[in-house]
Amino acid sequence: QSVLTQPPSASGTPGQRVTISCSGSSSNIGINHVYWYQQLPGTAPKVLIYRSNQRPSGVPDRFSGSKSGTSASLAISGLRSEDEADYYCASWDGSLSGRVFGGGTKLTVL
Amino acid sequence: EVQLVESGGGLVQPGGSLRLSCAASGFSLSDHHMDWVRQAPGKGLEWLGHARNKAKSYTTEYAASVKGRFTISRDDSKNSLYLQMNSLKSDDTAVYFCARDNYGLDVWGQGTTVTVSS
Repeated sequence: QSVLTQPPSASGTPGQRVTISCSGSSSNIGINHVYWYQQLPGTAPKVLIYRSNQRPSGVPDRFSGSKSGTSASLAISGLRSEDEADYYCASWDGSLSGRVFGGGTKLTVL
Repeated sequence: EVQLVESGGGLVQPGGSLRLSCAASGFSLSDHHMDWVRQAPGKGLEWLGHARNKAKSYTTEYAASVKGRFTISRDDSKNSLYLQMNSLKSDDTAVYFCARDNYGLDVWGQGTTVTVSS
């Protein structure tokens, strides 16, 4: 059971906009930033969003992050086939004194 | 090129020990906080531990699932990070990644596979 809760799956058609939610608590998302990672099959994860809504250089602006209270969301607009991957949210938990990940969301592009 | 390369994985019997290495290149390990993360077959990411940089006195944090069994250390002269794993269980079977903590976990190694089985 993950500390951060994500839907196990999401799907969309090419060009569509999809959002993935991440629910936490007052000890993690409520007080700390959220990070989003994309993991393509057989590869290491890659950071997509840092500090809740910032994109590293090289990440397309189709990806955006937001945070409100104890929840966060990753939005992907203009969905493309290469976006098919697993997506994880993460934050630091002050009560656990450690990083926590969501269980991951498998995104399927139909 | 900024890179992390893990090594040291393999097959180990339950109750055994293993030390994983993470060699950094293209940046100075002592300047950065580092994490170990694992992924069991077909499962999600599990954070294992965090090692702060020299400026933060190299302090460490561990997940409850591995605290007391796993220890993170580093050798800045070799620009390398280590994960000493003791009392291994079958549940520890996973791919183990090291990652640099810099605006998120921005650099990851390719992972090294640990299989705990008799």
